[in-house]
Order: sequence, then structure tokens, then C-alpha cells
Amino acid sequence: AQSVTQPDIHITVSEGASLELRCNYSYGATPYLFWYVQSPGQGLQLLLKYFSGDTLVQGIKGFEAEFKRSQSSFNLRKPSVHWSDAAEYFCAVGARSNDYKLSFGAGTTVTVRA
Amino acid sequence: DAGVTQSPTHLIKTRGQQVTLRCSPKSGHDTVSWYQQALGQGPQFIFQYYEEEERQRGNFPDRFSGHQFPNYSSELNVNALLLGDSALYLCASSRTNTKNTEAFFGQGTRLTVV
Repeated sequence: AQSVTQPDIHITVSEGASLELRCNYSYGATPYLFWYVQSPGQGLQLLLKYFSGDTLVQGIKGFEAEFKRSQSSFNLRKPSVHWSDAAEYFCAVGARSNDYKLSFGAGTTVTVRA
Repeated sequence: DAGVTQSPTHLIKTRGQQVTLRCSPKSGHDTVSWYQQALGQGPQFIFQYYEEEERQRGNFPDRFSGHQFPNYSSELNVNALLLGDSALYLCASSRTNTKNTEAFFGQGTRLTVV
């Protein structure tokens, strides 16, 4: 069975500072990994995904993530956060690239202070 | 393109009642997945429909059932509602048989059981 752990429930960061959100996954085969963002009262928006190839993945809104198989991690980073980045972030793992039976982590809430 | 649309946006039901939630997938998508997101948690996979049949199912009781219509839209039905069924229900659409496809989520239906 596949599962995801997001160790940080809540992170507060100053505007302009860097951000890193941690994600650890458990899956026996090649994982398909995703980061989604959810603003209050909204659905999920895909930030980026990793299926294969280059382990450093670029996404929308200036986000990037790095897949590290040896650490079973897929951490999300942004060099300089904006107030609009305040939201909840979810890491997810799937078994196939076109099969959206995803297992999500519990999420990390990001607060941005001025 | 309207994207994934869900209706209704909010719903209040009484314990023991039945509820039907609706989802229209993004144009060109043929697969619909349903997720339950309880407050403060990540989404949990309920089931997935493709070619009008349930293709995969998560760990949810038989009270949760669904349907997919020839136009690819889908319904989620929950019988004998429990207080614990209160959650945001998310629908995601994707396209099977397309490598590296992306799933798009709707805004969700907020169900409150009283």
C-alpha cells in the first residue's frame, strides 16, 4: 500500500523568505508524486508532478520539488514566498502516471507574515 | 472550458438520510475519481469510474456508491448518513489511456450532517 507523511502540520514564514515543505512517501515500486495546493474553500490545484527523468521538477508559481529515492522524499521548495502563497499544501503518491487513485498526506498549512 | 464542476456547493443533511452529489468532468476527460476530505485532513480516495463502471475503490463502506453516465459525468451517493460523513467531497477528472495526464479537481461539495 502507498502512503505519504507530511511531518510539518503548520509552517510560518516571512514574506520574501524561502520555504521548504517536507514529504516522505512509502511505496514499493516506482512512485508517481504530486504536490497540490488548496486555498480556503477551494479545490486542489496541481503545483507539480514527478513521473520519471530529472529528479528536480519545476512547477507553477515558482515552486520546485526534488525526488530523492534513497530518502523516499519529495520536498517542495520556493526561494521567495509571496503573501498569496498562504494556503494548505498536500503531497500525494500514485501507482501509475494515468491512474489518479492518489494517497494524500495530511497537509501542511503555510502562513505568510508580512 | 468550465473545468470540473460540482454541485451543489454546500449541503446540510440529517443523520440517516441519503445524499447525491454530482460532478461534470473537464471537457475531453473520461475518468472521474471521488475523494472525501474531512476537516484538517488530506483527501481520501473513495472510488473511480471509467466507461460507466467502478474501476477502483478505496476503503469506504457500501453506503458509498456511484454512477457514471455516458457523457462521463458522475454521481456519488451516500446512504444512511452518519455524522462522520461530514466532509468536503472532491471530484477529479482525468483521461485514461493518455500517458502523463493530469487530473483536475473541482471546488468540492461541503456536506454537513446534523
